[in-house]
Amino acid sequence: AQSVAQPEDQVNVAEGNPLTVKCTYSVSGNPYLFWYVQYPNRGLQFLLKYITGDNLVKGSYGFEAEFNKSQTSFHLKKPSALVSDSALYFCAVNQGAGSYQLTFGKGTKLSVIP
Amino acid sequence: DTEVTQTPKHLVMGMTNKKSLKCEQHMGHRAMYWYKQKAKKPPELMFVYSYEKLSINESVPSRFSPECPNSSLLNLHLHALQPEDSALYLCASSQESSGGHNEQFFGPGTRLTVL
Repeated sequence: AQSVAQPEDQVNVAEGNPLTVKCTYSVSGNPYLFWYVQYPNRGLQFLLKYITGDNLVKGSYGFEAEFNKSQTSFHLKKPSALVSDSALYFCAVNQGAGSYQLTFGKGTKLSVIP
Repeated sequence: DTEVTQTPKHLVMGMTNKKSLKCEQHMGHRAMYWYKQKAKKPPELMFVYSYEKLSINESVPSRFSPECPNSSLLNLHLHALQPEDSALYLCASSQESSGGHNEQFFGPGTRLTVL
């Protein structure tokens, strides 16, 4: 079975400071990892994914994530937070091999304080 | 066009009503999904269609009935719902692949309230 953990329900960061939203995963085999963002009363928007190759993945809106196989982590990062980054962030994993089933973490609410 | 559209945006229905949710995409995706999302919780997968055929049903009660009339459309027919079915219903689509590495594109959702 595959699973994702987002250990923080909420992350607060000052505008202009770097932000990190944490994610760890558990799968048998190689994982496909995703980050999505959800603004209030909206659907989920895809930010970035790790499939294979370079451990540092760059995505939309200046976000990036680092895949760490030894720590089974895929933390989302941004060098300088914007107030408009305030939203709910979901990490997700797909075990691949013909699976369509994304397993989502519980979500982390990011608040960027002006 | 990289958009998934959903109608209606909001829906209020009684427990004896029959209604339908609609989803449309024109990205040529051959996999389409229905999710249910409660407030501040992650989406829960309900159904997956692959090449217009139902491939996954996550033990969803029969009062929810999906339909995929063609490769661009996905419907969710609702009948005799319960108040606990009130939620945001999200549609998503992705390219068909055997690897599971394709990201899903989500619609804005239908906010359903069952009275």
